[in-house]
Amino acid sequence: EPEVTQTPSHQVTQMGQEVILRCVPISNHLYFYWYRQILGQKVEFLVSFYNNEISEKSEIFDDQFSVERPDGSNFTLKIRSTKLEDSAMYFCASSRSRNQPQHFGDGTRLSIL
Amino acid sequence: QQQVKQSPQSLIVQKGGISIINCAYENTAFDYFPWYQQFPGKGPALLIAIRPDVSEKKEGRFTISFNKSAKQFSLHIMDSQPGDSATYFCAARGPQGAQKLVFGQGTRLTINP
Repeated sequence: EPEVTQTPSHQVTQMGQEVILRCVPISNHLYFYWYRQILGQKVEFLVSFYNNEISEKSEIFDDQFSVERPDGSNFTLKIRSTKLEDSAMYFCASSRSRNQPQHFGDGTRLSIL
Repeated sequence: QQQVKQSPQSLIVQKGGISIINCAYENTAFDYFPWYQQFPGKGPALLIAIRPDVSEKKEGRFTISFNKSAKQFSLHIMDSQPGDSATYFCAARGPQGAQKLVFGQGTRLTINP
């Protein structure tokens, strides 16, 4: 069964540094999403992406964050000037259309030191 | 109004018993209610989902009951097995055109053998 793949599984970064989290969505999916889960808390929506542009974003997704689909298979989340509170599990998801189920990857654990 | 409240936070059930997890929402514009199952170190995996035009949906041992007037929905796991031990999240999406999933806080389910 096709799945969403995320790399790396764990990323450790110094505060203030930039980090890029990578995702390979399911190949015939057109909608892409990033969510995050701070330890012990609920999963929170960050952003959705369709047709090479952001289609919806949350208040968490400020100027520190950006997303990109640099080629036909990858979807990335960039966090500039990381802060301690950015430490979380970041999940990528994709869906065939807006009304189809969202399929999640296994996440990247981001630790900011 | 965008919140989904989930209870209980943790649940212990004996093997063969029925596990029941409840969720409540305020936003009547939500139009899609999925349940996700998450094992340690893995991303959320879609278990079952329902739309508000039906009151119940069953897939194998998993059943969603939906009460539109009370703005509540619940997951029932019949004949619970140790392999069902995981964290379960309810979620909601809407209104029409919205893409983000709003998640509940999660329920850690333990099935004792």
